[in-house]
Amino acid sequence: NAGVTQTPKFRVLKTGQSMTLLCAQDMNHEYMYWYRQDPGMGLRLIHYSVGEGTTAKGEVPDGYNVSRLKKQNFLLGLESAAPSQTSVYFCASSTPFSGTGGGQPQHFGDGTRLSIL
Amino acid sequence: GDSVTQMEGPVTLSEEAFLTINCTYTATGYPSLFWYVQYPGEGLQLLLKATKADDKGSNKGFEATYRKETTSFHLEKGSVQVSDSAVYFCARYTGRRALTFGSGTRLQVQP
Repeated sequence: NAGVTQTPKFRVLKTGQSMTLLCAQDMNHEYMYWYRQDPGMGLRLIHYSVGEGTTAKGEVPDGYNVSRLKKQNFLLGLESAAPSQTSVYFCASSTPFSGTGGGQPQHFGDGTRLSIL
Repeated sequence: GDSVTQMEGPVTLSEEAFLTINCTYTATGYPSLFWYVQYPGEGLQLLLKATKADDKGSNKGFEATYRKETTSFHLEKGSVQVSDSAVYFCARYTGRRALTFGSGTRLQVQP
């Protein structure tokens, strides 16, 4: 009953370091997402993927890269970490949205708390 | 653009009080609407959803009705419990294979 699993759960980086956050889902979902959550700002979409081998930019993509080499995994990379990227990062997955209204809920992992010093 | 506006928190209530958390959305078409709940240290969990006008989503005593005329999707519960203390997020489908979330409303229920 794993659902969406994120690793690591916590990480502290120094400015300029790079790292990769891993998201894995076992629900055979086509769509996967990376969000960041900052106080008072809700969730903001960084990048998303609608299938293996495809990715697209969200609302705040700068400073991040993603890859979806396997359907069940979605990786988020920070090329050169900056203090402004201190945040809680959430991965989510869903089945494809239907019609013009959408309707499919997203399933979330428990988050990765990342601090950049 | 697509946006969701929620009432500012925190909302502090006594146990068994009536809860309303307001949510309004920009009216681009007829997007599906959602309420998510986030308990401390956890990710977001779907609480309820509505996919068309006048639909009522409900779960665990919470309800929200899709009101096209007022572009609203307010969350209500008749009698809150301490265990309902969490952050609640309203969200709408953007039409671009993603969701847009409100800024969240923290609910604190006191015994």
